[in-house]
This record gives sequence, C-alpha cells and structure tokens, in this order.
Amino acid sequence: NAGVTQTPKFQVLKTGQSMTLQCAQDMNHEYMSWYRQDPGMGLRLIHYSVGAGITDQGEVPNGYNVSRSTTEDFPLRLLSAAPSQTSVYFCASSHTGTENTEAFFGQGTRLTVV
Amino acid sequence: AQSVSQHNHHVILSEAASLELGCNYSYGGTVNLFWYVQYPGQHLQLLLKYFSGDPLVKGIKGFEAEFIKSKFSFNLRKPSVQWSDTAEYFCAVSIYNQGGKLIFGQGTELSVKP
Repeated sequence: NAGVTQTPKFQVLKTGQSMTLQCAQDMNHEYMSWYRQDPGMGLRLIHYSVGAGITDQGEVPNGYNVSRSTTEDFPLRLLSAAPSQTSVYFCASSHTGTENTEAFFGQGTRLTVV
Repeated sequence: AQSVSQHNHHVILSEAASLELGCNYSYGGTVNLFWYVQYPGQHLQLLLKYFSGDPLVKGIKGFEAEFIKSKFSFNLRKPSVQWSDTAEYFCAVSIYNQGGKLIFGQGTELSVKP
C-alpha cells in the first residue's frame, strides 16, 4: 500500500510565487489534513477536510487554500508565498468517527521561501 | 481551546537509562490519545495509541504509556533506551466525537548517548 503520498519533497520558492503541494491517500480515509512543523512549535493544523467537498480552517490557515474534489486527493495551495511560510509541511489522513482515528502521515515537504 | 503540553523540550540520556516523557492535555471530555515519533529527516510514525480500556498501553519498540484521566496525562515510558531511540516525540489528542482532528504538543527531542 502506498499510504499517504506527498509531492514534492523539497521546494524553493521566491517571495510572491504560487505553488501547490500535492497529497493523495489510498486508504479510503474520510479525514485529511495539512500541518506545518516549525521548531519548538510542534505540528500546527492548517486546513482539514472530513470528506469530499467539505473543508475547514485549522489553527493557522492564512495564506493557504485547499479543496477536496475527491476522497483521495487534498492539495494545499500557496497563492503568494512569503518567507514566514518556510516550513516542513505534512499531509495526514485518517478515518473519522470515535475510534480508530490513527492518523497516517506523508513523507513531508520541506519548503523554503526566499 | 483544547491544548496539549509536553513538559520537556530536550532530554539527553545515556543508553540503558529509563525514559519518561510527560504529556498533559486540557479537555474535560472523552479523548483519544497518541504518541508519535519522528526520526531525523523522516515523517511521523505512530508509537502507540489509547482509545478505551486498559489505561496502560504498549506500543512498538518497547514503549508504553499510561493514561491517567484524573490528571489529564498520558506519559510515555521506556525502561531502557537505545541510541536508535534518538528522535523527536510528539503527544497528540483527538476529541472523541471529532475523529481525525489531532492537537499536537510542542514535541520533545530525545538524544541518547551511546
């Protein structure tokens, strides 16, 4: 099983550029989410989705957009990159419900904005 | 808002020493609890999880954690650490009926000296 697949693994952007981080899962999970990881701050939730067509904001949504057109895919868009968005980004997926909500993570994308 | 607090930011141990990493959360209702590990340069992997039942849960690689509901705690333990346990450890909580949405602690970096 592929699990959660994220692309690209590394990316360097110039300030003001846009890009899309891709995330796909093959486990038929309802819930998908994007986190950013910064030193000393753990993982902070950017956006999440509980199913196709449904998205919501997390703790740090500013500067990011998402959409969920299919169960499998949950891309994260940076419309105008800023140096403050330099971070490591992780996509995760899990079942919803009350139990068995273990999250599976992608390999991460290390993004640098110069 | 719910939050998760990890008491130690950086722990340094010698091989064979015992490990205990603290984790407390703030939420009065039912929760699911997780510990994830991130080895250098890698993505997050699940160490162990608690959904219900026996509050002492055992995970991979000899790790265990105890859920103490009265203390809102879920501390991670290992009797004897190895150099290969060097990694960052994250405690996470999901609210019982909001399956999938994880709240992470800040992380604890563990360095094990050979």
